Amino acid sequence: AQSVTQLGSHVSVSEGALVLLRCNYSSSVPPYLFWYVQYPNQGLQLLLKYTSAATLVKGINGFEAEFKKSETSFHLTKPSAHMSDAAEYFCAVSDRGQGNLIFGKGTKLSVKP
Amino acid sequence: GAVVSQHPSRVICKSGTSVKIECRSLDFQATTMFWYRQFPKKSLMLMATSNEGSKATYEQGVEKDKFLINHASLTLSTLTVTSAHPEDSSFYICSAREGRSEAFFGQGTRLTVV
Repeated sequence: AQSVTQLGSHVSVSEGALVLLRCNYSSSVPPYLFWYVQYPNQGLQLLLKYTSAATLVKGINGFEAEFKKSETSFHLTKPSAHMSDAAEYFCAVSDRGQGNLIFGKGTKLSVKP
Repeated sequence: GAVVSQHPSRVICKSGTSVKIECRSLDFQATTMFWYRQFPKKSLMLMATSNEGSKATYEQGVEKDKFLINHASLTLSTLTVTSAHPEDSSFYICSAREGRSEAFFGQGTRLTVV
C-alpha cells in the first residue's frame, strides 16, 4: 500500500524567505510523486512531478523538489517566497500502473509581508 | 496543459434531493476519470475510478447507490449525489486522464445541502 505523510499542517514564512514543505512517502514499488497547489475553493494545479527521470525536479512558479530514495522523501522548496504563494499544498504518490493518486493531508502555506 | 471542466462550481440543494456534477475533458479523451471528496482541513479522498463504458470502481466505504457515477463517453463523467443529506456537503473534485498520461483536475464543486 502507498501512503504520503506531510509534516506540518501549517507553515508560515516571511516574504522573500525560503519555503520548505516536507513530504515523505511509502511505496512498495517505484513511485510517481507529485506536488499540487490548491487555492481556496479551487481545484488542484500541478506544480511538478517525479517520474523516474532526474531526481531534482523543477516546476512552475519557481518551485522544485528533490526525490531522495534513501530518505523516502520528496520535499518541496522555493528560494524566495511571494505573497501569491500562500495556498494549500498537497504531496501525492501514485502507483505507476494504477494511476490514481494518494494524497497527503496538505500543508497550508502562509506568507507574511 | 489539458483542460478539465467541472460544473457547477457551487451548488446548494435541499435535503432529500439529488444533484448532478459534471466533469468534462475539453481537449483530450478521458479514458479514466477519478472522483475525489475533500473534507474541511483534510486531504482528498478517492471515491471512485471510472473507465469509459464500464461501471465505476468504488473505494471501500463509499456507497455506490448514493454516489452514482456515469462515464458514458470519452469526454464526460457525471457524479450524482442521490437523496442528499447535510453530511454530504463537501468539495468534490474530478480528474481525468488519457491512457497512462498525467491526470488533470477539474476546478471542483462546492456542494452544500441544507
